[in-house]
Amino acid sequence: DAKTTQPNSMESNEEEPVHLPCNHSTISGTDYIHWYRQLPSQGPEYVIHGLTSNVNNRMASLAIAEDRKSSTLILHRATLRDAAVYYCILRVLYEKLTFGTGTRLTIIP
Amino acid sequence: DTAVSQTPKYLVTQMGNDKSIKCEQNLGHDTMYWYKQDSKKFLKIMFSYNNKELIINETVPNRFSPKSPDKAHLNLHINSLELGDSAVYFCASRGLAGAADTQYFGPGTRLTVL
Repeated sequence: DAKTTQPNSMESNEEEPVHLPCNHSTISGTDYIHWYRQLPSQGPEYVIHGLTSNVNNRMASLAIAEDRKSSTLILHRATLRDAAVYYCILRVLYEKLTFGTGTRLTIIP
Repeated sequence: DTAVSQTPKYLVTQMGNDKSIKCEQNLGHDTMYWYKQDSKKFLKIMFSYNNKELIINETVPNRFSPKSPDKAHLNLHINSLELGDSAVYFCASRGLAGAADTQYFGPGTRLTVL
């Protein structure tokens, strides 16, 4: 399985944008980039996924590098409710999810 | 309406006992999963069922036996519980429709084996 590398932790001020990086230099052509997050004491929650083009949804944006070896999850205006562990996962469509250690995001009021 | 529900939310039991965790999804999905999150917060897949058939078994001890009576339910039965089984267990489901390749997780069941 292709691996991803994320910082262990990040901090951001409330109401500011947050850019969560993910490196995946061994990504294959069929790997989609998925992001999930896990709020405290809850199950993981889907955030966004993409293949080559940048993607936007109501929760976040996903910016994918042209060579696809890295990507960035963008939370446009972080709130306290966005404090969670964010997982960047490479996955062939419909295959199992393999979670890494993720990035623990702390939001400072 | 809860999309993926699990019961019980907490389960405390003695070593050697047998226990079950139930999972139900009302999303009409074909595929369901069980994941285990240990004390170090690593989240690992255990089983996957598609239309009541086992498709993934990630070298889980055979004391763990998933059972899918129908597409909407995937229960997890654990025999002869051990201390190392203490963890949070998450159920999830996934649809196969087009671009909706996302998994929906339940709230988790925290199992404590004493």
